Amino acid sequence: GQQLNQSPQSMFIQEGEDVSMNCTSSSIFNTWLWYKQEPGEGPVLLIALYKAGELTSNGRLTAQFGITRKDSFLNISASIPSDVGIYFCAGAYNFNKFYFGSGTKLNVKP
Amino acid sequence: GAGVSQSPRYKVAKRGQDVALRCDPISGHVSLFWYQQALGQGPEFLTYFQNEAQLDKSGLPSDRFFAERPEGSVSTLKIQRTQQEDSAVYLCASSYTGQGSGYTFGSGTRLTVV
Repeated sequence: GQQLNQSPQSMFIQEGEDVSMNCTSSSIFNTWLWYKQEPGEGPVLLIALYKAGELTSNGRLTAQFGITRKDSFLNISASIPSDVGIYFCAGAYNFNKFYFGSGTKLNVKP
Repeated sequence: GAGVSQSPRYKVAKRGQDVALRCDPISGHVSLFWYQQALGQGPEFLTYFQNEAQLDKSGLPSDRFFAERPEGSVSTLKIQRTQQEDSAVYLCASSYTGQGSGYTFGSGTRLTVV
């Protein structure tokens, strides 16, 4: 299957700090999605990106679809304790099969 | 319903036992997907339905795995003769068109094979 490399694997930050995580693929994707998953729950969609170079924000979250179409990043500004969770990137050629990264585990210290 | 509902939430099966996992998608959602999530990993695609048609089953790991959606709404993922490596969370997701907006996931069924 497709290899998505997501980094970092985990982060320990102080409340109020900004966070950046990224995802790279060995192949070109047409869509990038970013999800957040909390324990015992399914992933929840945060941001969807459909065009190379696209920059999209959702509150304190900003994500970009890389120009090469092989990468994407997610930034979280002014982190708060409820940002704790595992963040997954997902890429697809079409909308019917997404390939997920292995996740970035975010820990926020109050 | 308001969200994607999966049952049971937890299932413990003895090795060799057959299991059936149920997914109730959001009403009106045409597309339905099953993913498998091993501990500490991201979800991996298993299969995709559009209405009752199974259009992609390339992710099913073996012929012990079978999925159906006979009336285009509720779906069942069946695993025959379960093995320890089948232990994982099985996630169901649905989408109105399968395009553009990403999926809405259920909370999953955690399967433990002992």
